Amino acid sequence: ELKVEQNPLFLSMQEGKNYTIYCNYSTTSDRLYWYRQDPGKSLESLFVLLSNGAVKQEGRLMASLDTKARLSTLHITAAVHDLSATYFCAGDPPYDKIIFGKGTRLHILP
Amino acid sequence: EPEVTQTPSHQVTQMGQEVILRCVPISNHLYFYWYRQILGQKVEFLVSFYNNEISEKSEIFDDQFSVERPDGSNFTLKIRSTKLEDSAMYFCASRDGLRSPLHFGNGTRLTVT
Repeated sequence: ELKVEQNPLFLSMQEGKNYTIYCNYSTTSDRLYWYRQDPGKSLESLFVLLSNGAVKQEGRLMASLDTKARLSTLHITAAVHDLSATYFCAGDPPYDKIIFGKGTRLHILP
Repeated sequence: EPEVTQTPSHQVTQMGQEVILRCVPISNHLYFYWYRQILGQKVEFLVSFYNNEISEKSEIFDDQFSVERPDGSNFTLKIRSTKLEDSAMYFCASRDGLRSPLHFGNGTRLTVT
C-alpha cells in the first residue's frame, strides 16, 4: 500500500528565506497533490502534479514531481508570514484512495 | 465558487450513541470521500464512494461505520455506536474525476464523551 512521508514535519523559518519541503512516496502514485491547512480550517488544494517532471508555481510556492525518484518537493521562495500553515502532500495510487502524508507545520517568523 | 458543505459543524455525543454526519458534495462531482483528522494530525482516509457504492475503505472503516447517498445530493457518514477514540474532525470531500484534486468541506468536529 502507498505510504507518503514528508520531511521535515516542523519547520520554523525567517521571513525572506527559502526552503524546501520533501515528500517521498513508496509505490506507484498516478498523481501527487499538495494541500494547505490553516489551524482549525479545511484543506485547500494548492497543486496537482500529473506526470514526471511536472512543475507548478503559484506566487512564492513551487511544486515539482520526480516519479523515478518517487519524490515531490514544495519550494518556498522569500517566505512571508502569510505562508504559515500546515502543508500536506498526498499520493493517488491506481485505486480510489488518496493517501496523505503527516503534514509539515510551517511557522514563519517575522 | 461551488463548495462542499458539511453539517453540523460540531457534534457532541455520548459513547455508544449513533451519529450521522452530513455532507452535500459539489453538484457535478461523482466521487465522494470521508476522511478524519485527530487533533490536527494526519489526515486519514476512511472511505471512497462512486456510483452508489463503496470503492475503497480503510481498516478504520469497520462495521460501525456506514455511508449512504440517500437522495442524490446528500452524502452521509453514520457511526453506529460511538467510542471515545472516534473523537476527531471528519472531513467530507468530492471530486469530478480521478485526475482531479479533492475539494474538502469545512469539517464536522465530533466529540464523544
